[in-house]
Amino acid sequence: GAVVSQHPSWVICKSGTSVKIECRSLDFQATTMFWYRQFPKQSLMLMATSNEGSKATYEQGVEKDKFLINHASLTLSTLTVTSAHPEDSSFYICSAEAGDTQYFGPGTRLTVL
Amino acid sequence: DAKTTQPPSMDCAEGRAANLPCNHSTISGNEYVYWYRQIHSQGPQYIIHGLKNNETNEMASLIITEDRKSSTLILPHATLRDTAVYYCIVSNNTDKLIFGTGTRLQVFP
Repeated sequence: GAVVSQHPSWVICKSGTSVKIECRSLDFQATTMFWYRQFPKQSLMLMATSNEGSKATYEQGVEKDKFLINHASLTLSTLTVTSAHPEDSSFYICSAEAGDTQYFGPGTRLTVL
Repeated sequence: DAKTTQPPSMDCAEGRAANLPCNHSTISGNEYVYWYRQIHSQGPQYIIHGLKNNETNEMASLIITEDRKSSTLILPHATLRDTAVYYCIVSNNTDKLIFGTGTRLQVFP
């Protein structure tokens, strides 16, 4: 199957700092990638749809100025959590579309102190 | 909201078949049934998907009823490594995936 990677796999930062998470499709090109967030013991919640060469589409309730998404190439999308606070601590997961199927990255665990 | 209903949890003995049901009574004609699983602290893993015909791959089989209102994922010989949360999702392949709460499958020795 198609492979999606994320970097870093985990990050710890101080409150008020910004954190960038990368999502790469390793063996295919993806015009569309998705970003999800998962809190402990909960299901995945879609945050935004990232489209190569255009602006991301955010789900209701997700602050676009706080969660900056850039899809600069057909194999890379980045999510930047700006001015992170403890309530942003979560498991962030990306996915990329290959054909009619989404393939997910391994996730990035963000802890904000 | 998720368009599917799944039992919250199931148990299965190692080596036996695990049959995971999913109800999707409001599925539209152009929507596929997708199955993913998530092992603790990992990203979801794609398993299988189908439109109306039954499907089989190296991981599992997907049985979709003729009216398409429900489906069953079959893991033919469950192993301890199949312990995970299994998500059934309906989506037309241009749509975002909306995850429900899934079924927590526990495979025991």
